[in-house]
Amino acid sequence: QKEVEQNSGPLSVPEGAIASLNCTYSDRVSQSFFWYRQYSGKSPELIMSIYSNGDKEDGRFTAQLNKASQYVSLLIRDSQPSDSATYLCAVCNTNAGKSTFGDGTTLTVKP
Amino acid sequence: KAGVTQTPRYLIKTRGQQVTLSCSPISGHRSVSWYQQTPGQGLQFLFEYFSETQRNKGNFPGRFSGRQFSNSRSEMNVSTLELGDSALYLCASSLAGGDNEQFFGPGTRLTVL
Repeated sequence: QKEVEQNSGPLSVPEGAIASLNCTYSDRVSQSFFWYRQYSGKSPELIMSIYSNGDKEDGRFTAQLNKASQYVSLLIRDSQPSDSATYLCAVCNTNAGKSTFGDGTTLTVKP
Repeated sequence: KAGVTQTPRYLIKTRGQQVTLSCSPISGHRSVSWYQQTPGQGLQFLFEYFSETQRNKGNFPGRFSGRQFSNSRSEMNVSTLELGDSALYLCASSLAGGDNEQFFGPGTRLTVL
């Protein structure tokens, strides 16, 4: 079992719809969670961080964390074609001092 | 504030050669992490340096090494290159460590022939 698993893609949604990206992790003591966006041919870009159970909203993006279920998700509301990218989930164990990345989910938003 | 810079952006080497990649973190950031990204393996952690000390290391052979200088700039070295080392090498800087928010450089695309 991989340490961080993301829902297999590719994920395709129409413009204006809600895109839902999911991530599960195996290390129960993980404390920090991040979502990165990576456009084709570019490097990852941090878009959200979440540390406590519940929801965290930033513009059209909402990160949701449930530590009991070892689950973190990213919702993108009113999806735009410019949101088409690969989304990487990163899970961090402060004691280990490093981040473990999932393989990513590729999202395509169709006009 | 200037972002993370990496040099060179592209490299072509042949098997058996060695290569050195450079990373300059965001000003004030003391942690630099290195990652290898390939289509098949995703983003794999190589190592992390903080204040010139290697704090964490991933599961890569000893051919992969690194160091960090007093100005937080970091270098990564790969010796005796193999075809499988062809990848995008990314460095990421953060204020305090690889378990914090990280900011990635543009990467160095290494091709081993």
